[in-house]
Amino acid sequence: IAGITQAPTSQILAAGRRMTLRCTQDMRHNAMYWYRQDLGLGLRLIHYSNTAGTTGKGEVPDGYSVSRANTDDFPLTLASAVPSQTSVYFCASSESGGLATDTQYFGPGTRLTVL
Amino acid sequence: GQNIDQPTEMTATEGAIVQINCTYQTSGFNGLFWYQQHAGEAPTFLSYNVLDGLEEKGRFSSFLSRSKGYSYLLLKELQMKDSASYLCALMDSNYQLIWGAGTKLIIKP
Repeated sequence: IAGITQAPTSQILAAGRRMTLRCTQDMRHNAMYWYRQDLGLGLRLIHYSNTAGTTGKGEVPDGYSVSRANTDDFPLTLASAVPSQTSVYFCASSESGGLATDTQYFGPGTRLTVL
Repeated sequence: GQNIDQPTEMTATEGAIVQINCTYQTSGFNGLFWYQQHAGEAPTFLSYNVLDGLEEKGRFSSFLSRSKGYSYLLLKELQMKDSASYLCALMDSNYQLIWGAGTKLIIKP
């Protein structure tokens, strides 16, 4: 593994189903983030974690949950998927979190379609 | 609140220079980032400005004026591979990134 990996690459999901998007980084970064990207809109932060064991809500957290049991993994769960959650989901990480110079590095994304 | 504006789409010619503008309004500012995103791929970091002025990195330069709430990304000697979306993002007072919708740059031969 080099950098950030996400799984699955793409998924079609029936509304009402539960889904977990996986994200793993091997850079020993403290901070991790989940964004969604929709056409015509900027990336929007769903949840973040500045360090293992802590999480915080971003701009659009409703319908999503996260956990950060260790440094490397930051899964995003949709408890009961709805069509408005159709989007491309990007996981990102940064060395520190909470620093102005902290550059975020992105995973390849998961394209999720909820029908 | 915060607001970021950048043009939706621009077209330029291979070998030319293009300037992509980004204007913002924010109550707290901890720097401005530019990212490049090719279609179907992840955003990748290009530049960071926190002080006024120009930062140069090879063919790419980024400028910031904090008093005007304005930044631009300057791409010189355009190549076909520069066809991508360019995302402007400001770091707010909570050290979170607020993203613009991106500017799709089309390079024509």
